[in-house]
Amino acid sequence: DGGITQSPKYLFRKEGQNVTLSCEQNLNHDAMYWYRQDPGQGLRLIYYSQIVNDFQKGDIAEGYSVSREKKESFPLTVTSAQKNPTAFYLCASSRGQGEAFFGQGTRLTVV
Amino acid sequence: AQRVTQPEKLLSVFKGAPVELKCNYSYSGSPELFWYVQYSRQRLQLLLRHISRESIKGFTADLNKGETSFHLKKPFAQEEDSAMYYCALSRDSWGKLQFGAGTQVVVTP
Repeated sequence: DGGITQSPKYLFRKEGQNVTLSCEQNLNHDAMYWYRQDPGQGLRLIYYSQIVNDFQKGDIAEGYSVSREKKESFPLTVTSAQKNPTAFYLCASSRGQGEAFFGQGTRLTVV
Repeated sequence: AQRVTQPEKLLSVFKGAPVELKCNYSYSGSPELFWYVQYSRQRLQLLLRHISRESIKGFTADLNKGETSFHLKKPFAQEEDSAMYYCALSRDSWGKLQFGAGTQVVVTP
């Protein structure tokens, strides 16, 4: 089944913990993205990568980190520095022309 | 600065009635605009893009550069159209997008 796989679907984090969200794609897309989705705010770009071993900050990168060691994988770490991490996180990939393919999302809750 | 505005958070329409979702944008260059849709329990997916000028699931959207708008329209709403709709502006030639806040559409029988 081709596409983008995000795991886990639900994640709970304690205060002060770092957590990593997984994103894998088998679409052979060069570009990958992380968005944060909050009610009433749409999707906001956290980080993106257009090539392996390179990534750029998006609009709300503070408190997050990423890596792109393989074309297929773009994990997102939510660090303890992120003050309001409870949200729905979406990973996407693109082959260009503005069309992005999205994963099913990970809902992160701080407990 | 690039901005996408969707003024309606919620749009409730009856089945068979026309539906129009508003989208306005601000962008200094030549914009590429998209509508994405998220049905219940499904992933966000592309509905249509302005450059293709096509109709998908009965929806159309026309780019009006004078009014900086890209409204989504369907003449006869169906219950399966109930979903969250996002207007998006392309920020590069890849897939980096600027999204609006989204409009929840509810079609009642």
